Amino acid sequence: SQQGEEDPQALSIQEGENATMNCSYKTSINNLQWYRQNSGRGLVHLILIRSNEREKHSGRLRVTLDTSKKSSSLLITASRAADTASYFCATDLGNYGQNFVFGPGTRLSVLP
Amino acid sequence: DAGVTQSPTHLIKTRGQQVTLRCSPKSGHDTVSWYQQALGQGPQFIFQYYEEEERQRGNFPDRFSGHQFPNYSSELNVNALLLGDSALYLCASSLTEQETQYFGPGTRLLVL
Repeated sequence: SQQGEEDPQALSIQEGENATMNCSYKTSINNLQWYRQNSGRGLVHLILIRSNEREKHSGRLRVTLDTSKKSSSLLITASRAADTASYFCATDLGNYGQNFVFGPGTRLSVLP
Repeated sequence: DAGVTQSPTHLIKTRGQQVTLRCSPKSGHDTVSWYQQALGQGPQFIFQYYEEEERQRGNFPDRFSGHQFPNYSSELNVNALLLGDSALYLCASSLTEQETQYFGPGTRLLVL
């Protein structure tokens, strides 16, 4: 089984609505990062939250981290059609440098 | 400032052949990681190179090998290709002391 698992696997919303994706993981982490991927291309880094942080904001993005529940959530507010992509959480186990474990991703569709 | 570049963009090989993929890291970055992403899945960590040595390795067979050059660029070699090696291969670069990885656009490999 994977270290990180996003939920839901797929999400479809209307433009202007908020989108929430969740990520659960199994072991202790150094930090957790969210990435976006458009149509099977390279991943774009969105936001990093460290294990001693509980919430971070970046523009329309809000990330929370609950280390006691080993879970994180990504909220995209006022979604746009351009937000349509796959979103991945990556847990950094911090072993001797970066050691990223990605989940299977949430495929978000924002309908105009 | 060029980001991470990868070549080639697409590649078609037959079973049993060997393939070499190339990656140039973002300017100033000294660490390169390679990932395999099967269709509909999250990226899986193959290995990471720092100072021309393999520093960490994921759960991949010895058919997967790599190299890092003095200019920090890197190659991924896969021998005795299997149909299951068909995937998007992603390269990511970072600075050792920083936690964020920057991804290239990937090389899509198809094994027939």
